[in-house]
Amino acid sequence: DAGVIQSPRHEVTEMGQEVTLRCKPISGHNSLFWYRQTMMRGLELLIYFNNNVPIDDSGMPEDRFSAKMPNASFSTLKIQPSEPRDSAVYFCASSSPRRLAGGEKETQYFGPGTRLLVL
Amino acid sequence: AQKVTQAQTEISVVEKEDVTLDCVYETRDTTYYLFWYKQPPSGELVFLIRRNSFDEQNEISGRYSWNFQKSTSSFNFTITASQVVDSAVYFCATHETSGSRLTFGEGTQLTVNP
Repeated sequence: DAGVIQSPRHEVTEMGQEVTLRCKPISGHNSLFWYRQTMMRGLELLIYFNNNVPIDDSGMPEDRFSAKMPNASFSTLKIQPSEPRDSAVYFCASSSPRRLAGGEKETQYFGPGTRLLVL
Repeated sequence: AQKVTQAQTEISVVEKEDVTLDCVYETRDTTYYLFWYKQPPSGELVFLIRRNSFDEQNEISGRYSWNFQKSTSSFNFTITASQVVDSAVYFCATHETSGSRLTFGEGTQLTVNP
């Protein structure tokens, strides 16, 4: 089974540009999470969705960040305009309250991450 | 609020040694989940184990074992006969209820030398 898919895997952009990160959760999972990992702050949750509805966006750093989940199989995290301090690895994760084939319930499975560098 | 403390920032061992990674958590909820994730040098986060707060039975999976002690709020992870491929950053994490945020510890960098 395919895991969580993220694209792009690497992104280099210039300050002020718009950046869009994409995520496809594991089929059947109804919760989706966006995390950011930096050396200074470690792993921190930005936002999560349950059944495509944003539940907790308290971790979104500021208005420059926005996330959408138009359907159960796709989510985007957008940064506009980007700044050098946004440079980080952005992970998407998904989970299910039920035990699905090959997975544990209530467990977040992570995508490979997107390494973002804002110059 | 939840908090996870991994006091060991870095551990270095020689291959075949046993090594224990400590994890202490804080939560006010009676129902919660505990997790361990591995982050190898390639960067992905690999799920290792999930434990429900009602299940204090220790678990063994091959060379890996986990010791859950509710009385001391600890969920320690032991690797027996460590191997070079075990070198990674290991994160302990917790979340309280269904679909809620994971709170991670700061991670322990394990280096296994040949």
